[in-house]
Amino acid sequence: DTGVSQDPRHKITKRGQNVTFRCDPISEHNRLYWYRQTLGQGPEFLTYFQNEAQLEKSRLLSDRFSAERPKGSFSTLEIQRTEQGDSAMYLCASSPRTGANNEQFFGPGTRLTVL
Amino acid sequence: GNSVTQMEGPVTLSEEAFLTINCTYTATGYPSLFWYVQYPGEGLQLLLKATKADDKGSNKGFEATYRKETTSFHLEKGSVQVSDSAVYFCALFRNTGFQKLVFGTGTRLLVSP
Repeated sequence: DTGVSQDPRHKITKRGQNVTFRCDPISEHNRLYWYRQTLGQGPEFLTYFQNEAQLEKSRLLSDRFSAERPKGSFSTLEIQRTEQGDSAMYLCASSPRTGANNEQFFGPGTRLTVL
Repeated sequence: GNSVTQMEGPVTLSEEAFLTINCTYTATGYPSLFWYVQYPGEGLQLLLKATKADDKGSNKGFEATYRKETTSFHLEKGSVQVSDSAVYFCALFRNTGFQKLVFGTGTRLLVSP
């Protein structure tokens, strides 16, 4: 399978702990996106990378959140000092290029539960 | 700002019924428009797309037409199946400036035999 993969699929943690999620995009896709989806809502943009450069960040991405894509391939999203409000599905997507007709391919998501 | 408004669900239909899920958008410029589908326990899948006014996207019997004059992109299917039960998300993508997908809140479709 050559789709977008995410690890882990589920994460349960206690409030105050740090968590890290990984996303492996489709090979050779140079753009990678992170979204957050809470119950009953549509996904909300968090940040995106073009190759290894983080080009845009949402105001939703507080200073407890950090994302990296060190070699322009896989990406990690870390949440420090988790809060119950961080409980959500974290989605990763990748796309091969920008502009018109841009299509983003989504992974299965990582479901985070903060107790 | 950019936003997408979808009709609230759930939409409950019997098999072979006609489906319409309304979607309207607010955006500067000329965005691309998408419908994504999320089946239970799975990730988002692109269902169809349209990149300019009057374009019609279609896939798996679903259709949607990009209507610039009414800023709408309603999803339709002539005869739904039980397997179409899922959550459907309308989304826009700005082709310039701050590039990201902006999603609606989703509409759950339940199809009974």
